[in-house]
Amino acid sequence: DTGVSQNPRHKITKRGQNVTFRCDPISEHNRLYWYRQTLGQGPEFLTYFQNEAQLEKSRLLSDRFSAERPKGSFSTLEIQRTEQGDSAMYLCASRLKNTEAFFGQGTRLTVV
Amino acid sequence: SQQGEEDPQALSIQEGENATMNCSYKTSINNLQWYRQNSGRGLVHLILIRSNEREKHSGRLRVTLDTSKKSSSLLITASRAADTASYFCATDLYGGATNKLIFGTGTLLAVQP
Repeated sequence: DTGVSQNPRHKITKRGQNVTFRCDPISEHNRLYWYRQTLGQGPEFLTYFQNEAQLEKSRLLSDRFSAERPKGSFSTLEIQRTEQGDSAMYLCASRLKNTEAFFGQGTRLTVV
Repeated sequence: SQQGEEDPQALSIQEGENATMNCSYKTSINNLQWYRQNSGRGLVHLILIRSNEREKHSGRLRVTLDTSKKSSSLLITASRAADTASYFCATDLYGGATNKLIFGTGTLLAVQP
């Protein structure tokens, strides 16, 4: 296992379009996280999965955002009706309980 | 919202000098972690210190934790130009089922050759 993989690395979309990002965690990690990061800021927590259960979703996420982790393996993050304010780096991380997190390289979203 | 705040926001030093970054947080934690991020890349884990530990070392890194003050510091000794990056503390929150990792605002370190 080479680590956490995110696809695509870059996405440019027109305002109003839907986008979906994928994260493949380290296989034995049952905890998976999505973060959003804008320039000069730290990663902001979006949502957290333990196995296939989505246990927490940040109030930062509007109803346009949805995430899934079917069968507790890979995860997808979908943004519907994208807005320019959604432009950011979307980071995925996985880990075991109370251990260090391993991050993917991120998906950079640009909404034009 | 972000749990931790790093201080300073930016730090510029010469190669060979030591760099110290501080992190303050608000609630009880299981552990505190430090991460490094090169520009435009993902985060890389540096060191984890548990709530019952006071100091931890890893190579040129030294981390301290003061749970009474809800603060931590990261010391990088004998800095190198390659240490130039953003550094974040992250708190692993205590209790509950969520076990989420919350990041601070970061310190941008520039090491001049």
